[in-house]
Amino acid sequence: AQRVTQPEKLLSVFKGAPVELKCNYSYSGSPELFWYVQYSRQRLQLLLRHISRESIKGFTADLNKGETSFHLKKPFAQEEDSAMYYCALNLNKLVFGAGTILRVKS
Amino acid sequence: ETGVTQSPTHLIKTRGQQVTLRCSSQSGHNTVSWYQQALGQGPQFIFQYYREEENGRGNFPPRFSGLQFPNYSSELNVNALELDDSALYLCASRQQGTGYEQYFGPGTRLTVT
Repeated sequence: AQRVTQPEKLLSVFKGAPVELKCNYSYSGSPELFWYVQYSRQRLQLLLRHISRESIKGFTADLNKGETSFHLKKPFAQEEDSAMYYCALNLNKLVFGAGTILRVKS
Repeated sequence: ETGVTQSPTHLIKTRGQQVTLRCSSQSGHNTVSWYQQALGQGPQFIFQYYREEENGRGNFPPRFSGLQFPNYSSELNVNALELDDSALYLCASRQQGTGYEQYFGPGTRLTVT
């Protein structure tokens, strides 16, 4: 079955520290993966897509097919990064993980 | 460009009742998807509509049904409400064929008592 796993419910880091939000997927085909973010009192929005291989707000994510992972990374966390982050697998519908709350402390 | 809108914002219903939730897609988008987000979980796909036809469905019983209208707006109907139906219901729209990004609405919070 297709599944997305985000093992951490909460990740708490200090401002300026590196961040890595973990995501593992289960899918036998060639995956299309996204990271969505939801800031406080805002709607869910796309952060980045693995195909584009771009950096958005300093975040990057690399698809590792061998480890079936798509971890989200940022070298230096900022307070405004505090939000709920969802990893999602696109199968003409989105299969979401349970989400990880990122809390950046000052 | 108008974003995805949903109504109502909040709703309280009693077990066994029926409910209709509404969604207006973003301007230019022809595909609408509905998701259910229970507390502490990620959104779960309910179904998707394209050109007024359902063209994908998740693992939800038939009492969850929907419609899409010629202007691409959509309704989600839930019959015989159960306590476990209490959740945030999200609508998302995109342009089939040219757009991969789904744009989400703010959601409707349904509470079943």
